[in-house]
Amino acid sequence: EAAVTQSPRNKVTVTGGNVTLSCRQTNSHNYMYWYRQDTGHGLRLIHYSYGAGNLQIGDVPDGYKATRTTQEDFFLLLELASPSQTSLYFCASSGSGTTEVFFGKGTRLTVV
Amino acid sequence: QQQVRQSPQSLTVWEGETTILNCSYEDSTFDYFPWYRQFPGKSPALLIAISLVSNKKEDGRFTIFFNKREKKLSLHITDSQPGDSATYFCAASETGNTRKLIFGLGTTLQVQP
Repeated sequence: EAAVTQSPRNKVTVTGGNVTLSCRQTNSHNYMYWYRQDTGHGLRLIHYSYGAGNLQIGDVPDGYKATRTTQEDFFLLLELASPSQTSLYFCASSGSGTTEVFFGKGTRLTVV
Repeated sequence: QQQVRQSPQSLTVWEGETTILNCSYEDSTFDYFPWYRQFPGKSPALLIAISLVSNKKEDGRFTIFFNKREKKLSLHITDSQPGDSATYFCAASETGNTRKLIFGLGTTLQVQP
């Protein structure tokens, strides 16, 4: 079973704060993704990567940076958090030999 | 502009009935169409998927029907069970280098016993 681990699982920060969400996969997958899930909007792709050092822009990138430091680790950075970024964030990964995407358990971020 | 559209937004059926969930897409470059299921408080997980080379894909009580000309898919759940109550997401991607997976807004299914 593919493993995608997100940390922290819950985070509260203030408006204007700096937040980093972490994701690690131990499946030797090339592809990693960051999604946000909001009621009425489904799952929206923020950023994704197909290897260490690679970064691709998703559909809702504004206000987010991402960095893929190794094949295993993918980080999502919010440098000036805003209340509109309050959401449930999912990291996911998939391999070259399979099209299935495996999701982490999610990080619930609240910006007050 | 929503690239992957789902209907209905929510649906309630009785146990034993057949549930039909609908999906349509815009982009002709999409060639892979997975359905993900998400139980309350859990992560989405792959349920069943179909590619452009097929018109139909079955897995137990779950079947995808694919109309390529109209760019429409439907997920049929036969003999629906209360344990099927969840949100179902239709998604689409290109299986090339980008692997960008785009989700619809989901259909929330409630199966009443």
